[in-house]
Amino acid sequence: GQNIDQPTEMTATEGAIVQINCTYQTSGFNGLFWYQQHAGEAPTFLSYNVLDGLEEKGRFSSFLSRSKGYSYLLLKELQMKDSASYLCAVRGPNSGAGSYQLTFGKGTKLSVIP
Amino acid sequence: DSGVTQTPKHLITATGQRVTLRCSPRSGDLSVYWYQQSLDQGLQFLIHYYNGEERAKGNILERFSAQQFPDLHSELNLSSLELGDSALYFCASSVGRGAGETQYFGPGTRLLVL
Repeated sequence: GQNIDQPTEMTATEGAIVQINCTYQTSGFNGLFWYQQHAGEAPTFLSYNVLDGLEEKGRFSSFLSRSKGYSYLLLKELQMKDSASYLCAVRGPNSGAGSYQLTFGKGTKLSVIP
Repeated sequence: DSGVTQTPKHLITATGQRVTLRCSPRSGDLSVYWYQQSLDQGLQFLIHYYNGEERAKGNILERFSAQQFPDLHSELNLSSLELGDSALYFCASSVGRGAGETQYFGPGTRLLVL
Protein backbone atom coordinates (compact mmCIF):
# COMPACT_ATOMS: atom_id res chain seq x y z
CA GLY A 1 0.00 0.00 0.00
CA GLN A 2 0.88 3.64 0.00
CA ASN A 3 1.38 6.04 2.92
CA ILE A 4 1.92 9.72 2.24
CA ASP A 5 2.68 12.41 4.81
CA GLN A 6 2.70 16.15 4.41
CA PRO A 7 2.22 18.99 6.90
CA THR A 8 -1.38 19.98 7.45
CA GLU A 9 -0.90 23.73 7.34
CA MET A 10 1.78 26.32 6.60
CA THR A 11 1.87 30.11 6.59
CA ALA A 12 4.27 32.27 4.60
CA THR A 13 4.67 35.92 3.69
CA GLU A 14 3.99 37.45 0.29
CA GLY A 15 7.20 37.63 -1.74
CA ALA A 16 8.94 34.95 0.32
CA ILE A 17 9.91 31.35 -0.50
CA VAL A 18 8.18 28.32 1.01
CA GLN A 19 9.03 24.64 0.88
CA ILE A 20 6.31 22.01 1.30
CA ASN A 21 7.61 18.56 2.14
CA CYS A 22 6.15 15.18 1.33
CA THR A 23 7.36 11.79 2.52
CA TYR A 24 6.02 8.50 1.29
CA GLN A 25 6.24 4.75 1.80
CA THR A 26 5.13 2.69 -1.13
CA SER A 27 5.09 -0.89 -2.36
CA GLY A 28 5.90 0.29 -5.85
CA PHE A 29 6.77 3.69 -7.27
CA ASN A 30 6.07 5.13 -10.69
CA GLY A 31 6.33 8.85 -10.09
CA LEU A 32 5.22 11.67 -7.84
CA PHE A 33 2.84 14.48 -8.72
CA TRP A 34 2.07 17.82 -7.10
CA TYR A 35 -1.33 19.44 -7.52
CA GLN A 36 -2.69 22.78 -6.37
CA GLN A 37 -6.26 22.97 -5.13
CA HIS A 38 -8.11 26.14 -4.20
CA ALA A 39 -10.97 25.62 -1.77
CA GLY A 40 -13.95 23.98 -3.42
CA GLU A 41 -12.25 23.79 -6.80
CA ALA A 42 -10.59 21.10 -8.89
CA PRO A 43 -6.98 20.07 -8.30
CA THR A 44 -4.72 21.46 -11.02
CA PHE A 45 -1.47 19.82 -12.10
CA LEU A 46 1.77 21.50 -11.06
CA SER A 47 4.62 19.03 -11.54
CA TYR A 48 5.73 15.45 -12.08
CA ASN A 49 8.94 13.78 -10.92
CA VAL A 50 9.97 10.22 -11.67
CA LEU A 51 13.76 10.54 -11.49
CA ASP A 52 15.81 11.97 -8.64
CA GLY A 53 16.50 15.66 -8.83
CA LEU A 54 14.94 19.03 -9.28
CA GLU A 55 12.33 20.03 -11.87
CA GLU A 56 11.83 23.77 -12.30
CA LYS A 57 8.81 25.49 -13.79
CA GLY A 58 8.75 29.21 -13.36
CA ARG A 59 8.12 30.09 -9.72
CA PHE A 60 7.50 26.44 -8.84
CA SER A 61 10.11 23.70 -8.43
CA SER A 62 9.76 20.12 -7.29
CA PHE A 63 12.44 17.80 -5.96
CA LEU A 64 12.49 14.03 -5.59
CA SER A 65 14.72 11.58 -3.74
CA ARG A 66 13.50 8.04 -4.38
CA SER A 67 15.98 6.44 -1.97
CA LYS A 68 14.67 8.63 0.86
CA GLY A 69 11.00 8.50 -0.15
CA TYR A 70 10.98 12.29 -0.08
CA SER A 71 9.83 15.16 -2.23
CA TYR A 72 9.34 18.85 -1.80
CA LEU A 73 7.56 21.61 -3.66
CA LEU A 74 9.29 24.98 -3.63
CA LEU A 75 7.28 28.12 -4.29
CA LYS A 76 9.22 31.34 -4.89
CA GLU A 77 8.07 34.97 -4.91
CA LEU A 78 4.88 34.04 -3.16
CA GLN A 79 1.70 35.77 -4.24
CA MET A 80 -1.62 36.01 -2.43
CA LYS A 81 -3.19 33.81 -5.11
CA ASP A 82 -0.86 30.98 -4.07
CA SER A 83 -3.00 30.51 -0.95
CA ALA A 84 -4.36 27.02 -1.57
CA SER A 85 -3.91 23.38 -0.64
CA TYR A 86 -0.99 21.55 -2.19
CA LEU A 87 -1.48 17.84 -2.75
CA CYS A 88 1.34 15.34 -3.05
CA ALA A 89 0.36 12.19 -4.98
CA VAL A 90 2.30 9.00 -5.62
CA ARG A 91 1.72 6.71 -8.58
CA GLY A 92 1.89 3.10 -7.55
CA PRO A 93 2.61 -0.14 -9.33
CA ASN A 94 0.67 -1.57 -12.26
CA SER A 95 -2.57 -3.05 -10.96
CA GLY A 96 -2.16 -5.93 -13.36
CA ALA A 97 -4.85 -4.58 -15.64
CA GLY A 98 -2.79 -1.71 -16.96
CA SER A 99 -3.70 0.85 -14.34
CA TYR A 100 -1.34 2.85 -12.15
CA GLN A 101 -3.24 4.13 -9.14
CA LEU A 102 -2.59 7.65 -7.90
CA THR A 103 -2.66 7.93 -4.10
CA PHE A 104 -2.99 11.42 -2.65
CA GLY A 105 -1.75 12.83 0.61
CA LYS A 106 -4.23 14.85 2.65
CA GLY A 107 -2.74 18.10 1.41
CA THR A 108 -0.96 21.08 2.90
CA LYS A 109 -3.03 24.21 3.31
CA LEU A 110 -0.80 27.19 2.55
CA SER A 111 -1.83 30.65 3.69
CA VAL A 112 0.06 33.59 2.19
CA ILE A 113 -0.12 36.72 4.32
CA PRO A 114 0.79 40.30 3.36
CA ASP B 1 -10.37 25.11 -17.45
CA SER B 2 -9.06 21.54 -17.75
CA GLY B 3 -11.47 20.51 -20.50
CA VAL B 4 -13.12 17.91 -18.24
CA THR B 5 -16.79 18.58 -17.57
CA GLN B 6 -18.97 17.27 -14.77
CA THR B 7 -22.67 17.58 -14.11
CA PRO B 8 -24.42 18.49 -11.95
CA LYS B 9 -22.32 20.95 -9.97
CA HIS B 10 -24.41 20.56 -6.85
CA LEU B 11 -26.77 17.82 -5.73
CA ILE B 12 -28.90 17.70 -2.60
CA THR B 13 -30.75 14.51 -1.82
CA ALA B 14 -32.05 12.41 1.05
CA THR B 15 -30.72 9.28 2.69
CA GLY B 16 -31.68 6.11 0.90
CA GLN B 17 -31.89 7.77 -2.50
CA ARG B 18 -29.89 7.08 -5.67
CA VAL B 19 -28.05 9.64 -7.79
CA THR B 20 -26.01 9.63 -11.00
CA LEU B 21 -23.01 11.85 -11.57
CA ARG B 22 -21.79 12.46 -15.09
CA CYS B 23 -18.32 13.16 -16.46
CA SER B 24 -17.09 13.99 -19.96
CA PRO B 25 -13.31 13.64 -20.40
CA ARG B 26 -11.06 15.96 -22.38
CA SER B 27 -11.25 15.45 -26.11
CA GLY B 28 -9.04 12.50 -27.04
CA ASP B 29 -8.64 11.14 -23.51
CA LEU B 30 -9.48 7.46 -23.10
CA SER B 31 -9.07 7.12 -19.32
CA VAL B 32 -11.55 8.33 -16.73
CA TYR B 33 -10.91 8.20 -12.99
CA TRP B 34 -13.37 8.90 -10.17
CA TYR B 35 -12.38 10.31 -6.77
CA GLN B 36 -14.21 11.18 -3.58
CA GLN B 37 -13.00 14.07 -1.44
CA SER B 38 -14.29 14.54 2.08
CA LEU B 39 -12.91 16.93 4.68
CA ASP B 40 -11.23 14.31 6.83
CA GLN B 41 -10.12 11.81 4.19
CA GLY B 42 -8.66 13.84 1.37
CA LEU B 43 -8.88 12.64 -2.23
CA GLN B 44 -9.73 8.94 -2.37
CA PHE B 45 -9.48 6.96 -5.60
CA LEU B 46 -12.66 5.10 -6.46
CA ILE B 47 -12.38 3.56 -9.91
CA HIS B 48 -10.58 3.78 -13.28
CA TYR B 49 -12.00 3.10 -16.72
CA TYR B 50 -10.02 2.93 -19.92
CA ASN B 51 -11.76 2.91 -23.30
CA GLY B 52 -14.92 1.46 -21.82
CA GLU B 53 -13.32 -1.18 -19.60
CA GLU B 54 -12.83 -1.14 -15.87
CA ARG B 55 -9.09 -1.18 -15.07
CA ALA B 56 -8.79 -0.64 -11.33
CA LYS B 57 -10.90 -0.28 -8.23
CA GLY B 58 -9.95 1.62 -5.13
CA ASN B 59 -11.97 2.10 -1.97
CA ILE B 60 -15.29 2.03 -3.76
CA LEU B 61 -18.33 0.88 -1.78
CA GLU B 62 -20.55 -1.85 -3.16
CA ARG B 63 -23.40 0.69 -3.21
CA PHE B 64 -21.41 2.65 -5.80
CA SER B 65 -20.95 1.66 -9.42
CA ALA B 66 -19.66 3.27 -12.56
CA GLN B 67 -19.46 2.76 -16.28
CA GLN B 68 -17.84 4.33 -19.30
CA PHE B 69 -19.85 4.56 -22.49
CA PRO B 70 -18.76 4.19 -26.14
CA ASP B 71 -18.53 7.98 -26.49
CA LEU B 72 -16.12 7.83 -23.48
CA HIS B 73 -18.25 9.78 -21.05
CA SER B 74 -18.63 8.15 -17.67
CA GLU B 75 -21.28 7.95 -14.99
CA LEU B 76 -20.91 7.23 -11.29
CA ASN B 77 -24.00 5.80 -9.65
CA LEU B 78 -24.44 6.13 -5.89
CA SER B 79 -27.29 4.24 -4.29
CA SER B 80 -28.79 3.77 -0.81
CA LEU B 81 -27.16 7.04 0.09
CA GLU B 82 -26.00 7.70 3.63
CA LEU B 83 -25.09 10.92 5.40
CA GLY B 84 -21.42 9.95 5.18
CA ASP B 85 -21.56 9.95 1.39
CA SER B 86 -21.73 13.74 1.42
CA ALA B 87 -18.55 14.85 -0.32
CA LEU B 88 -17.04 16.35 -3.43
CA TYR B 89 -16.85 13.85 -6.28
CA PHE B 90 -14.25 14.52 -8.94
CA CYS B 91 -13.56 12.83 -12.17
CA ALA B 92 -10.24 13.11 -13.95
CA SER B 93 -9.10 12.07 -17.39
CA SER B 94 -5.84 11.24 -19.12
CA VAL B 95 -4.89 10.34 -22.65
CA GLY B 96 -4.03 6.73 -21.88
CA ARG B 97 -3.17 4.65 -18.84
CA GLY B 98 0.61 4.91 -18.67
CA ALA B 99 2.46 5.46 -15.44
CA GLY B 100 3.70 8.93 -16.37
CA GLU B 101 0.44 10.36 -17.61
CA THR B 102 -1.05 13.41 -15.96
CA GLN B 103 -4.63 13.31 -14.76
CA TYR B 104 -6.70 16.43 -15.41
CA PHE B 105 -9.58 17.05 -13.03
CA GLY B 106 -13.09 18.26 -13.67
CA PRO B 107 -14.76 20.91 -11.48
CA GLY B 108 -16.46 18.31 -9.30
CA THR B 109 -19.96 17.55 -8.09
CA ARG B 110 -20.76 18.56 -4.53
CA LEU B 111 -23.15 16.01 -3.04
CA LEU B 112 -25.09 16.74 0.12
CA VAL B 113 -27.11 13.93 1.66
CA LEU B 114 -29.67 15.07 4.24
